[in-house]
Amino acid sequence: EVQLVQSGPEVKKPGESLKISCKGSGFTFSNYWIGWVRQMPGKGLEWMGIIYPGDSDTRQSPSFQGQVSISADKSINTAYLQWTSLKASDTAIYYCARAFSAAGHVLDYWGPGTLVTVSS
Amino acid sequence: DIHMTQSPSSLSASVGDRVIISCRASQSINSYLNWFQQKPGKAPKLLIYAASILQSGVPSRFSGSASGTHFTLTISSLQPEDFAIYYCQQSYSTPQTFGQGTKLEI
Repeated sequence: EVQLVQSGPEVKKPGESLKISCKGSGFTFSNYWIGWVRQMPGKGLEWMGIIYPGDSDTRQSPSFQGQVSISADKSINTAYLQWTSLKASDTAIYYCARAFSAAGHVLDYWGPGTLVTVSS
Repeated sequence: DIHMTQSPSSLSASVGDRVIISCRASQSINSYLNWFQQKPGKAPKLLIYAASILQSGVPSRFSGSASGTHFTLTISSLQPEDFAIYYCQQSYSTPQTFGQGTKLEI
């Protein structure tokens, strides 16, 4: 069974750093792209970027470039989203999803999301 | 970036109704169009990919079609569990982009 398990909710202050994770199981992690999607409170879905854990090839949305970094460790089937200096506007749910290659990279299995709250 | 425009933004319907949700891309996306369903407090769920291919396990009352840059999601006979928010998304080019969502309510 394909599963994506995401790290737990986080409460941080502005300026702090954070790394959240997404661990895959039930499939060959290094053979699929893993995507990240943001959902701000009460808002729609925003595609942040994708990474191919096999060689760490990464495609990132310009809207998020420089704000957050995407990485992966194929040896432990885990992808990451990392901030060096959080802002209040980073408050959101962050979903990871597996992407299969058909008509582009299609996000087929999703994790439950990690709620990140940034507040002073 | 490719802009995706969904209509309507919200829709009231009843169980048994046939519902159509539209999505238009700002440029050609070669049918690289996906539909997702999201229920409150849950992650999105893939319903249809490549404009018309039903994801495994998704009921056959859901269908998708394409005509140029115009795409539609049709639910043939609404069931109580179908009340949710629906998003279209293009996977043709990076960055992938979502429509703003259509809230389907009773």
